[in-house]
Amino acid sequence: AQSVTQLDSQVPVFEEAPVELRCNYSSSVSVYLFWYVQYPNQGLQLLLKYLSGSTLVKGINGFEAEFNKSQTSFHLRKPSVHISDTAEYFCAVSGGGNNDMRFGAGTRLTVKP
Amino acid sequence: SQTIHQWPATLVQPVGSPLSLECTVEGTSNPNLYWYRQAAGRGLQLLFYSVGIGQISSEVPQNLSASRPQDRQFILSSKKLLLSDSGFYLCAWKRQGAERRSPLHFGNGTRLTVT
Repeated sequence: AQSVTQLDSQVPVFEEAPVELRCNYSSSVSVYLFWYVQYPNQGLQLLLKYLSGSTLVKGINGFEAEFNKSQTSFHLRKPSVHISDTAEYFCAVSGGGNNDMRFGAGTRLTVKP
Repeated sequence: SQTIHQWPATLVQPVGSPLSLECTVEGTSNPNLYWYRQAAGRGLQLLFYSVGIGQISSEVPQNLSASRPQDRQFILSSKKLLLSDSGFYLCAWKRQGAERRSPLHFGNGTRLTVT
């Protein structure tokens, strides 16, 4: 079975600062990894995904993530955040089956002016 | 392109009343469909999923039920709501045939408050 741990429940940063949201996973099979963003009172929107190939994946809104198999991590990064990046971010892992996408508990990113 | 519609956006219901939330997907056929619940400050909990018309799998036993009367329609129901049913309900779909690699696509959610 797969599981996901998001190491920080809240991350406050100042505008234009870099940010890293941490995600670790565990799985007994090969995995596919996803990051989603959720703005208040909205559904989840796909930011990026790792399926295979290059371990550095780029997504929307200037975000990128790096898959590290040896450390079982998939951390999300952005070199310079904006106020509009304030949202909840979810890491997810898919390992198999129709229902087998597991989500982390989420990290609330707050960007301050 | 594919779109997913979920309604209503907000709902306030008294304890003991029935519930019906609806979700429809456009632009794709035979999708996998999912209902998630998100409680305040918590992650996503998978409630039900469906791989075809009339096929429902339940992940968590509770007083909710789901139905799929048409290929792209997914309904979440309850006969009698409890206070603990309050939360944010999300419908999602995934393309069949490559389930592991396919991302979930979410609707905008329904905020349910049971009073």
